[in-house]
Amino acid sequence: NAGVTQTPKFQVLKTGQSMTLQCAQDMNHNSMYWYRQDPGMGLRLIYYSASEGTTDKGEVPNGYNVSRLNKREFSLRLESAAPSQTSVYFCASSPEGWGLYQPQHFGDGTRLSIL
Amino acid sequence: DQQVKQNSPSLSVQEGRISILNCDYTNSMFDYFLWYKKYPAEGPTFLISISSIKDKNEDGRFTVFLNKSAKHLSLHIVPSQPGDSAVYFCAASARKLGGTSYGKLTFGQGTILTVHP
Repeated sequence: NAGVTQTPKFQVLKTGQSMTLQCAQDMNHNSMYWYRQDPGMGLRLIYYSASEGTTDKGEVPNGYNVSRLNKREFSLRLESAAPSQTSVYFCASSPEGWGLYQPQHFGDGTRLSIL
Repeated sequence: DQQVKQNSPSLSVQEGRISILNCDYTNSMFDYFLWYKKYPAEGPTFLISISSIKDKNEDGRFTVFLNKSAKHLSLHIVPSQPGDSAVYFCAASARKLGGTSYGKLTFGQGTILTVHP
């Protein structure tokens, strides 16, 4: 009954450090997504992967990279963290195929603070 | 440019009464709309959706209305319960040219709903 699992749940970094946020889903979904949530701004799409082996930029990709390691896992990497990347990061997945509309399922988030 | 807007940051209602949450959008290419509910320290959970070919979709206490000419949708919760207290996000998706959809969602800012016993 895991759904979408994100690790870690909390992290504090110093400016310039790097880290990778992990996401795994056990629902055999094709598509996976990374969002960030900032106060008063809702969720904004960083990167997405429509299917295994493909990734593409979302609305706010600068400063991030992603890897779709396999169908289950989609990681988000901050190469050189900046205070502006302090946020709550959500991973999501959906069984989205071409032309299908399926709701996305979200993990519980990673709260990232960059000092 | 905020393509999906929820202009009410918060809403307070009495238990048993109706809650109406509103959402406006500007992109006429949006053709699928969803509402998500979010509790503190949890991820958003899907609540209800509507396709642009419909103007109403109902699921138990939750009904979503879509007015395409006004580019407006609303979520009605009847009757409201204290457990409904959460942040509600509306989201929209648009087909890309050629008719395929990546499922990319554009979210509104959210509305905090508080239902008082």
